[in-house]
Amino acid sequence: QTVVTQEPSFSVSPGGTVTLTCGLRSGSVSTSYYPSWYQQTPGQAPRTLMYSTNIRSSGVPERFSGSILGNKAALTITGAQADDDSDYYCVLYMGSGISVFGGGTKLTVL
Amino acid sequence: EVQVLESGGGLVQPGGSLRLSCAASEFTFTTYAMSWVRQAPGKGLEWLSAISASGNSPFYADSVKGRFTISRDNSKNTLYLQMNSLRAEDTAMYYCAKWTRRDGYYFDYWGQGTLVTVSS
Repeated sequence: QTVVTQEPSFSVSPGGTVTLTCGLRSGSVSTSYYPSWYQQTPGQAPRTLMYSTNIRSSGVPERFSGSILGNKAALTITGAQADDDSDYYCVLYMGSGISVFGGGTKLTVL
Repeated sequence: EVQVLESGGGLVQPGGSLRLSCAASEFTFTTYAMSWVRQAPGKGLEWLSAISASGNSPFYADSVKGRFTISRDNSKNTLYLQMNSLRAEDTAMYYCAKWTRRDGYYFDYWGQGTLVTVSS
């Protein structure tokens, strides 16, 4: 069973920079997993932020960026704002039609 | 604007069945794969199933394989999820998502979800 790992929680000050990561319990994440990132606030549907590692979805601010850092996918928020206070999920594509979500990171901006 | 709208959720007893629907509009439904994702109360998102544009290739997470069946009717621009042998742990918000397999593999549009509660 594939397990995608994310930090359960993170905190950042307004205006600060934070990097959330997305890893595999066994193995390394590469661009071949086509990492994507989603933002979700309570009671709302997910919103697509990033796909194919580092391509911002339409309308996503430039302060969001994606990359591979070491053996993990990463989502960096530069200049965090209050409305970035959300849950963030990564997804890895495992091939053969199978996608796997990470457990999510609860980001607090304060 | 692309829209996907889920329906069919509700209260069902353990062991029961339910069929969810997802009506799609403002995109060429017949050329895109689609997917179902769920979120149990207070928990994270869980990918459940996907289906190719033609409907010929379904894919399932191990957690629902054999109990859930994904299908689509391209003449009605509608995606379905037939859920059988429902358990309390299937209680969740169920989201339909357009699954794009161009420039990567990702979910680019989401519905607002339909709530399924499995309880006696």
